Amino acid sequence: GAGVSQTPSNKVTEKGKYVELRCDPISGHTALYWYRQSLGQGPEFLIYFQGTGAADDSGLPNDRFFAVRPEGSVSTLKIQRTERGDSAVYLCASRTASGANVLTFGAGSRLTVL
Amino acid sequence: GEDVEQSLFLSVREGDSSVINCTYTDSSSTYLYWYKQEPGAGLQLLTYIFSNMDMKQDQRLTVLLNKKDKHLSLRIADTQTGDSAIYFCAESNNQGGKLIFGQGTELSVKP
Repeated sequence: GAGVSQTPSNKVTEKGKYVELRCDPISGHTALYWYRQSLGQGPEFLIYFQGTGAADDSGLPNDRFFAVRPEGSVSTLKIQRTERGDSAVYLCASRTASGANVLTFGAGSRLTVL
Repeated sequence: GEDVEQSLFLSVREGDSSVINCTYTDSSSTYLYWYKQEPGAGLQLLTYIFSNMDMKQDQRLTVLLNKKDKHLSLRIADTQTGDSAIYFCAESNNQGGKLIFGQGTELSVKP
């Protein structure tokens, strides 16, 4: 597609529930990134994929967070047993294989945990 | 670890120049970036600079890099009300690696 697409744009869930957030990167972009942005803060790195594999998952806060990219295109961020502190905007970005590591971001998925 | 710091707020009059500053700690930074975020929108890349450059100009935007002091600035000439947004500085330290972002500077442009 023309840009990075994220769904849902808004998700409200209850504490303890399971959530999936989807990212559809720009066609042909080999690298895909997930960030989390809390209110008034800058984006915080979670994980990035090069193709199908996670190249760096050092930003995942704990084992309730998991992400996959099985075919090297669409990625899903999965959050188990959600907590109120997980409320944030989850941003996805993608980039081409070469160049200045320029990320193109989607509009984000706003997660609210009640 | 890597850290990127920015002042939180800047207010200017329409037509004036704005200068947004950023400091970073990673001496092996390869690229430094400026992104813009408007309310309710995603991040939009404004410009970036390679670490072996001192300056980059792109229309109304001028980026200055002082690698010795690990200081980056973004100057916006003839600031317009449409420039009101949050501006994020970011750095990456290797090809294909993650970007580390600052907490953002909210620019308010008064008519």
